[in-house]
Amino acid sequence: NAGVTQTPKFQVLKTGQSMTLQCAQDMNHEYMSWYRQDPGMGLRLIHYSVGAGITDQGEVPNGYNVSRSTTEDFPLRLLSAAPSQTSVYFCASSLGGPYQPQHFGDGTRLSIL
Amino acid sequence: KQEVTQIPAALSVPEGENLVLNCSFTDSAIYNLQWFRQDPGKGLTSLLLIQSSQREQTSGRLNASLDKSSGRSTLYIAASQPGDSATYLCAVSNDYKLSFGAGTTVTVRA
Repeated sequence: NAGVTQTPKFQVLKTGQSMTLQCAQDMNHEYMSWYRQDPGMGLRLIHYSVGAGITDQGEVPNGYNVSRSTTEDFPLRLLSAAPSQTSVYFCASSLGGPYQPQHFGDGTRLSIL
Repeated sequence: KQEVTQIPAALSVPEGENLVLNCSFTDSAIYNLQWFRQDPGKGLTSLLLIQSSQREQTSGRLNASLDKSSGRSTLYIAASQPGDSATYLCAVSNDYKLSFGAGTTVTVRA
């Protein structure tokens, strides 16, 4: 049982480039979410999904897009990378929303030059 | 907007001492509160979840209390061990979202 898998683990981009961070879970969880973690600021919610075909914005959605075509996958797209998006990105999933224990991936460390 | 605060930001204790970690939140209209552990370079692991109707939750050496009306939760770790060294984060849920504190980094000295 792999749990929540995030790829890549590390990535360096140049300003203006685009990329997709991948997140997959094999626990048949309906709720999935993306966070960014910056020093001293805790985790901030970017986007979340309550099921396939349904997504919504979190606290800091600007510059990011998501889609949820399957229960298993929830990719996060950076449209035009900016240095302010340098961060560690975490994907999480749970069976029934934020009201149940969350399962986190190991994160993607992203640097934008 | 929900604000979650964890003080202190860092804590160092000798092995065997009990740990007391604090979490406060500004909006008491929460559904539940969760405590997580994060090891360096890793994701978060859920430790305890307390429903808003509960006062405390226990798992092994861990005990978490919740006072929703005053906006506070405390995580107690009994008889700390070097393996307890990690960052501990709390998060509150409402409106279908989780709001996290910045965490307390704990070092247990052997």
